[in-house]
Amino acid sequence: GNSVTQMEGPVTLSEEAFLTINCTYTATGYPSLFWYVQYPGEGLQLLLKATKADDKGSNKGFEATYRKETTSFHLEKGSVQVSDSAVYFCALVRMDSNYQLIWGAGTKLIIKP
Amino acid sequence: DGGITQSPKYLFRKEGQNVTLSCEQNLNHDAMYWYRQDPGQGLRLIYYSQIVNDFQKGDIAEGYSVSREKKESFPLTVTSAQKNPTAFYLCASSRQGNYGYTFGSGTRLTVV
Repeated sequence: GNSVTQMEGPVTLSEEAFLTINCTYTATGYPSLFWYVQYPGEGLQLLLKATKADDKGSNKGFEATYRKETTSFHLEKGSVQVSDSAVYFCALVRMDSNYQLIWGAGTKLIIKP
Repeated sequence: DGGITQSPKYLFRKEGQNVTLSCEQNLNHDAMYWYRQDPGQGLRLIYYSQIVNDFQKGDIAEGYSVSREKKESFPLTVTSAQKNPTAFYLCASSRQGNYGYTFGSGTRLTVV
């Protein structure tokens, strides 16, 4: 079946540190992959996406590369800011079911000044 | 600007009451979804609808009901049968294809 596994949080870093949030998936076929971000008390916003193997999605300094060989889509940022503190969700689209999203459990990121 | 609007932002319910959460979108999206989020938890799917006048149960539909009479609207009713309704409720919509979802800003429901 389809599933997404994210690293457990919270992840706590100091400002300007390098960030990696791991995401691995199982899926039939070659789904598109997404990262969403949720700031406190708000809905989710699309952060970036990749639609095929070796694609790199990027936005606001965040990047993630679709790795078919390792079934991974890890989120990275070179230098985090306090304003990046949020919950990050990895998701894949079910190509066999009207493009519904399958969600990871979310990873809370805390950035300390 | 196109978007998806949830109202109210905060809602208080007494024990035994039904309440309805509003979700409206002007994105011309075919599909709409309702999720529940508990503190520190991920998203759990309550109901979804791919087209007008049709909807399907998600993973935790018990104690909830929906309608989809218009493409733009997908209200969620939390009934008295839902034993633990205090949570953050998120509505989302999507168009056909590989585009992901657009989310509303959520409704926080509290039982008092």
